[in-house]
Amino acid sequence: EAGVAQSPRYKIIEKRQSVAFWCNPISGHATLYWYQQILGQGPKLLIQFQNNGVVDDSQLPKDRFSAERLKGVDSTLKIQPAKLEDSAVYLCASSLAGDGYTFGSGTRLTVV
Amino acid sequence: GQSLEQPSEVTAVEGAIVQINCTYQTSGFYGLSWYQQHDGGAPTFLSYNALDGLEETGRFSSFLSRSDSYGYLLLQELQMKDSASYFCAVRDRRDDKIIFGKGTRLHILP
Repeated sequence: EAGVAQSPRYKIIEKRQSVAFWCNPISGHATLYWYQQILGQGPKLLIQFQNNGVVDDSQLPKDRFSAERLKGVDSTLKIQPAKLEDSAVYLCASSLAGDGYTFGSGTRLTVV
Repeated sequence: GQSLEQPSEVTAVEGAIVQINCTYQTSGFYGLSWYQQHDGGAPTFLSYNALDGLEETGRFSSFLSRSDSYGYLLLQELQMKDSASYFCAVRDRRDDKIIFGKGTRLHILP
């Protein structure tokens, strides 16, 4: 089966600019997650979708981050405006209930 | 809330056995997972324990003790390609989300 697709693979932007990441989960996976992984740390959950509804966004900095999952398939994560501390790898993952996650390759964001 | 503790680094010799421990605190424990992540790569799923005991998958085994809130990942016959970061993660029963530890960097010496 095809894996979780993410784009772009790398992105460099200046602080205060905006950026968007895209994720296409494994077909049939109802649950989709966005994680932020800062260098040397474990992935931190930003938002969890079940189909096109938000299950948990308690750790999403909502003043600058937004995410949507239209039609319960693809998802986009947006940062506006970006800060230096947003430099990280943004990982998308999907799962069937009760299984392990499958992660995409991630988007490495550098904010300068 | 949830928290996980695992060593930040472990060093072992090629061909040897290494154990990476993980202790956790969570209010709605459902299971303990392990993920491997190579530099520049995405985490990949290794194993999942929902019940006490040992799960074996090839050279990798994972153990869980729910009463002790403790688990470990055991890697046997270490190979250089096993050099990576290993994350334990707890699955929360209430909302099916997974919270990751900070990871253990495994260094393998020839």
